[in-house]
Amino acid sequence: ETGVTQSPTHLIKTRGQQVTLRCSSQSGHNTVSWYQQALGQGPQFIFQYYREEENGRGNFPPRFSGLQFPNYSSELNVNALELDDSALYLCASSTAGHSTGELFFGEGSRLTVL
Amino acid sequence: RKEVEQDPGPFNVPEGATVAFNCTYSNSASQSFFWYRQDCRKEPKLLMSVYSSGNEDGRFTAQLNRASQYISLLIRDSKLSDSATYLCGAGDSGGYQKVTFGTGTKLQVIP
Repeated sequence: ETGVTQSPTHLIKTRGQQVTLRCSSQSGHNTVSWYQQALGQGPQFIFQYYREEENGRGNFPPRFSGLQFPNYSSELNVNALELDDSALYLCASSTAGHSTGELFFGEGSRLTVL
Repeated sequence: RKEVEQDPGPFNVPEGATVAFNCTYSNSASQSFFWYRQDCRKEPKLLMSVYSSGNEDGRFTAQLNRASQYISLLIRDSKLSDSATYLCGAGDSGGYQKVTFGTGTKLQVIP
């Protein structure tokens, strides 16, 4: 177990709705990254948070937004959901300054948009 | 062209066989490389980092070829429990820890 927890594990939304996903990082980790993994694809980087600020963003529209809290936990918010947003959303925690890419993933939140 | 490319497979191999996966990356500025293992409907887990000198961990050997921009993973003496999808990842050289993943290579080890 990585110690990274995500909630909810599964959820179903309809097009146009908004969703909030939550992540608690592993103890001692101060950086949280969010990835989207569509079926049959590799994870795609959405953004990263460090010291409560967005610290890098992938090719995702502004309706994908996030927060990081003082305890390093994080939220991913997606507005105006589209069918293509159906995916597994993975949170990964790490420690700034450590080797890039040694990520510890949570089990993910599986979002279905109808 | 995708930044990180892998053969999606599936690779169906008998128990005990040796199997090799390759992965190519297009960003020559990438500084770090990884192999992750992902079981069906589970999260990716770091299998091993890939160093310039190559590295070995038991039955698994990873190598990096910067000149040709590819990394490889060799699995010797395949076990049934090795059946999974293997994701190749390239770490960004920027000021944050972004990893670009390939689509993954599916391995099925057959009894």
